[in-house]
Amino acid sequence: DMQMTQSPSSLSASVGDRVTITCRASQSISIYLNWYQQKPGKAPKLLIYAASSLQSGVPSRFSGSGSGTDFTLTISSLQPEDFATYYCQESYSSTITFGQGTRLEIK
Amino acid sequence: EVQLVESGGGLVQPGGSLRLSCAASEFTFSNYWMSWVRQAPGKGLEWVANIKQDGSEKGYEDSVKGRFTISRDNAKKSLYLQMNSLGAEDTAVYYCARWRGQQSEFDCWGQGTLVTVSS
Repeated sequence: DMQMTQSPSSLSASVGDRVTITCRASQSISIYLNWYQQKPGKAPKLLIYAASSLQSGVPSRFSGSGSGTDFTLTISSLQPEDFATYYCQESYSSTITFGQGTRLEIK
Repeated sequence: EVQLVESGGGLVQPGGSLRLSCAASEFTFSNYWMSWVRQAPGKGLEWVANIKQDGSEKGYEDSVKGRFTISRDNAKKSLYLQMNSLGAEDTAVYYCARWRGQQSEFDCWGQGTLVTVSS
């Protein structure tokens, strides 16, 4: 079974910081990796698809990279509205798997 | 604006059944794969099931196979999840999500409906 491991599980940062979240797949998934943002009590929101493509309407401070097994989500300059939980999700296999999430908190 | 609205959640006893619905609007429902994704309280996201545009292909997460059935009615622009033999481990917010297709992403999500399995 596919496993997706995110690191760190939680992260404290300040407004204006550059932040990187990592997602590792247990086997190669090419570029079939997506990133979502979820705020408390709200539905997830698609940020990045196909590893590095920015979803329409998402600020350009969000970027994604990687292929194979190792992927990163970078927020270039944190804004107050970016404090949330972030999930990666692979779409390579027929059974879709999410990472466990990374909680981004205000320092 | 694309909208997905779930309904049908609630409190159900262990071993019971529940049927969730998702009403879609402002997009051509019959053109898209659709999915259910759930989130247990305080936990992460878990894909549950998906269904092809015409209903001819369906996929399920292992723990719900044989208990849950996904279906759709394109004329009514609606997605369904019939859940049987419910257990405490099925307690979660259930989200309806539009899936762009195999090897792609969930680009629109509903607000979720809470299912609580408890005696």
